[in-house]
Amino acid sequence: GQNIDQPTEMTATEGAIVQINCTYQTSGFNGLFWYQQHAGEAPTFLSYNVLDGLEEKGRFSSFLSRSKGYSYLLLKELQMKDSASYLCAVLDSNYQLIWGAGTKLIIKP
Amino acid sequence: TAGITQAPTSQILAAGRSMTLRCTQDMRHNAMYWYRQDLGLGLRLIHYSNTAGTTGKGEVPDGYSVSRANTDDFPLTLASAVPSQTSVYFCASSRSGSTDTQYFGPGTRLTVL
Repeated sequence: GQNIDQPTEMTATEGAIVQINCTYQTSGFNGLFWYQQHAGEAPTFLSYNVLDGLEEKGRFSSFLSRSKGYSYLLLKELQMKDSASYLCAVLDSNYQLIWGAGTKLIIKP
Repeated sequence: TAGITQAPTSQILAAGRSMTLRCTQDMRHNAMYWYRQDLGLGLRLIHYSNTAGTTGKGEVPDGYSVSRANTDDFPLTLASAVPSQTSVYFCASSRSGSTDTQYFGPGTRLTVL
């Protein structure tokens, strides 16, 4: 079966750095997406990785290791508005997105 | 631009009744998707359409049907609602049905009693 694992909840302090991990086992791999979802709202796109390595985009970075079936999202200089759920999703061999259950990130002052 | 719109925002439905959730996009995207999101679970694909005139089944298609008569609209119909269909439904679209980013509508919260 296909499986995406990420922690259910994480807590971090404003101004700090947090790393949200995602491991996956899927039938085929055509890339990995990270989305942000604030409570009661729609998911919004953060990043897409298809090659190994780190992609940096402002305060957010995303890393991929295809051989390990592993990705992480790194958030720097945390702000209160970063409190949200972060969803990891893998594009499988049929080009369908397989989604993790999401990691709820709580930012404390 | 509006992007993707969904209607209604929320609905309470009696079991056994039928309902159509509406989704419209103005980005001229070829591919459209319907997902359901339930607490503790990842988004699950119900149906998709890679281009107008074609549709396909996702992970959880039973009890749902879709049509894609034109590029902009992708309605989702529940023929006879059951309580297990209580969920938040998101419509999404992408430029094509491959590696392109999916953009989501605001969602419809459906409660079936």
